[in-house]
Amino acid sequence: IAGITQAPTSQILAAGRRMTLRCTQDMRHNAMYWYRQDLGLGLRLIHYSNTAGTTGKGEVPDGYSVSRANTDDFPLTLASAVPSQTSVYFCASSERGATDTQYFGPGTRLTVL
Amino acid sequence: GQNIDQPTEMTATEGAIVQINCTYQTSGFNGLFWYQQHAGEAPTFLSYNVLDGLEEKGRFSSFLSRSKGYSYLLLKELQMKDSASYLCAVRDSNYQLIWGAGTKLIIKP
Repeated sequence: IAGITQAPTSQILAAGRRMTLRCTQDMRHNAMYWYRQDLGLGLRLIHYSNTAGTTGKGEVPDGYSVSRANTDDFPLTLASAVPSQTSVYFCASSERGATDTQYFGPGTRLTVL
Repeated sequence: GQNIDQPTEMTATEGAIVQINCTYQTSGFNGLFWYQQHAGEAPTFLSYNVLDGLEEKGRFSSFLSRSKGYSYLLLKELQMKDSASYLCAVRDSNYQLIWGAGTKLIIKP
């Protein structure tokens, strides 16, 4: 049972480059989320998807985009990376939606230089 | 604005009991979560409270007082593996999770 997988584990990226962080879950959960975690701050929601085919903006969506073509995959794209996007990114999912407990992937550590 | 407050760091001794407090001010309330996060790892779910009172789960208990905007996580019989950050999160009126910055718990032998 894999749960949620994320790739890559870590990445160093030059500013201005495009980057897609991958997230896949095998639990058939309807809802998926992307968070960033920065030192001294709580997790902040970037984007979410309540079900395949729909997405929504979270607290800090600027500079990021997502898509949800199917139930399992929820990629996060940085169109043109900036140093302030250096962070640890966590993907999460919940079974039915916002009323359920969220379960997290192992995270991607991204450094933008 | 919405705010979740937790102590930044706490230290406790192996075998002892520790209480980690969380106070919140959010637009609406639809439940409070506690997660554990070991360094370099993902947060993992510990407990959920939506009604006032104490929820016990083995060595861990979580308490909620909605009228006071207050929760605590109680860890008993501390073990070295309990060294981790503990995250408090509140689900607001939009059913989005608002997260505290976390409390780093250091366990000493």
